[in-house]
Amino acid sequence: DQQVKQNSPSLSVQEGRISILNCDYTNSMFDYFLWYKKYPAEGPTFLISISSIKDKNEDGRFTVFLNKSAKHLSLHIVPSQPGDSAVYFCAASAQIYNQGGKLIFGQGTELSVKP
Amino acid sequence: EPEVTQTPSHQVTQMGQEVILRCVPISNHLYFYWYRQILGQKVEFLVSFYNNEISEKSEIFDDQFSVERPDGSNFTLKIRSTKLEDSAMYFCASRYWDGYSNQPQHFGDGTRLSIL
Repeated sequence: DQQVKQNSPSLSVQEGRISILNCDYTNSMFDYFLWYKKYPAEGPTFLISISSIKDKNEDGRFTVFLNKSAKHLSLHIVPSQPGDSAVYFCAASAQIYNQGGKLIFGQGTELSVKP
Repeated sequence: EPEVTQTPSHQVTQMGQEVILRCVPISNHLYFYWYRQILGQKVEFLVSFYNNEISEKSEIFDDQFSVERPDGSNFTLKIRSTKLEDSAMYFCASRYWDGYSNQPQHFGDGTRLSIL
């Protein structure tokens, strides 16, 4: 099931700089997109989301951009901090068509923020 | 902040045995989910549960799997006769539903299931 893809398994960024994590999807029925952060031995922690009617959502240092024509979303973290080092998962659901709202996950990108 | 709690954190079981994984979702949430992540693979959807019944299940969720909400707080996943390939991290999640807006799912820390 390759409906959601994160093509970069890892990303290394200097503290204070911008981190950009990317995600592509194929299913045009997806109407809700989320980013989760995961530390080892913990569950995914919800970070930020965006509905398909928007193209940008911002929460503090985190901004998610959605480009529906390209079926692409990205997460920007500015400025990056060492505590941001974790695995980041992109997820999507089709809540309009499926109120159950199951999430389809990408493979994850491991972000390392170096001091 | 309210959170989803899962027990046990690690379960070791002999192949062929039954196992029950337990979850306490966030109290005012109405949708409940189970996902699993096999080592090195993606997080995969297993089942969603709403209004005391399954709303959707994946191909993975065959007759060996069942879910139950035995009381007002617990949500369980039962695997009747475990196989080696059931070894994975199992995550429970829950979601609030206000009837019209998108809401995120919130996850527990998972149960690591090891089948010997």
